[in-house]
Amino acid sequence: EAGVAQSPRYKIIEKRQSVAFWCNPISGHATLYWYQQILGQGPKLLIQFQNNGVVDDSQLPKDRFSAERLKGVDSTLKIQPAKLEDSAVYLCASSLVGQGLDTGELFFGEGSRLTVL
Amino acid sequence: GENVEQHPSTLSVQEGDSAVIKCTYSDSASNYFPWYKQELGKRPQLIIDIRSNVGEKKDQRIAVTLNKTAKHFSLHITETQPEDSAVYFCAASITRNTGFQKLVFGTGTRLLVSP
Repeated sequence: EAGVAQSPRYKIIEKRQSVAFWCNPISGHATLYWYQQILGQGPKLLIQFQNNGVVDDSQLPKDRFSAERLKGVDSTLKIQPAKLEDSAVYLCASSLVGQGLDTGELFFGEGSRLTVL
Repeated sequence: GENVEQHPSTLSVQEGDSAVIKCTYSDSASNYFPWYKQELGKRPQLIIDIRSNVGEKKDQRIAVTLNKTAKHFSLHITETQPEDSAVYFCAASITRNTGFQKLVFGTGTRLLVSP
């Protein structure tokens, strides 16, 4: 079974520039998550999709971050304009989950490492 | 609240020793507690999980215990091996009023197993 695919693996940009990350979840997984992992910290949930609807984006800095999952499969996360503190690994994960159920196992992608100079 | 505390932040043991990592959660409604292992430069991967209807779960050399009253859960690794060296994250579920859950992760424990 193919895992969660993410690209690019690495990205270096200057502050105030924009960047976009792409994620393809495991086939059939309804729920998709974007996590931000700053060096030395645990993953922090930015946004959670159930199919193509947003379940939770309470910790997404909406003045600069946006995410979409238009057809309920692939997702993109965009940062514009980037700040120095956005340097982190952006992890995409997917799971089989429905309303009223626990999340079950999250399957993570390899992550996209962003460096903002 | 949404808070998971994890201790210690680093743990060094000799090969063959046991390692214990402890987590505390704040939401009394949390009912799902997974543990993820993240090797350097790799993705986090689930190693074991426990639900609130059981107090202990074991899988070969790893075990997890849960104390719902104290809101504590712990990861136990016995007979540690160098390949156990990694960062371990605990997590606890938070159920939203929509019925969907999310995971809140601890800050991680870097385990180093020396030969």
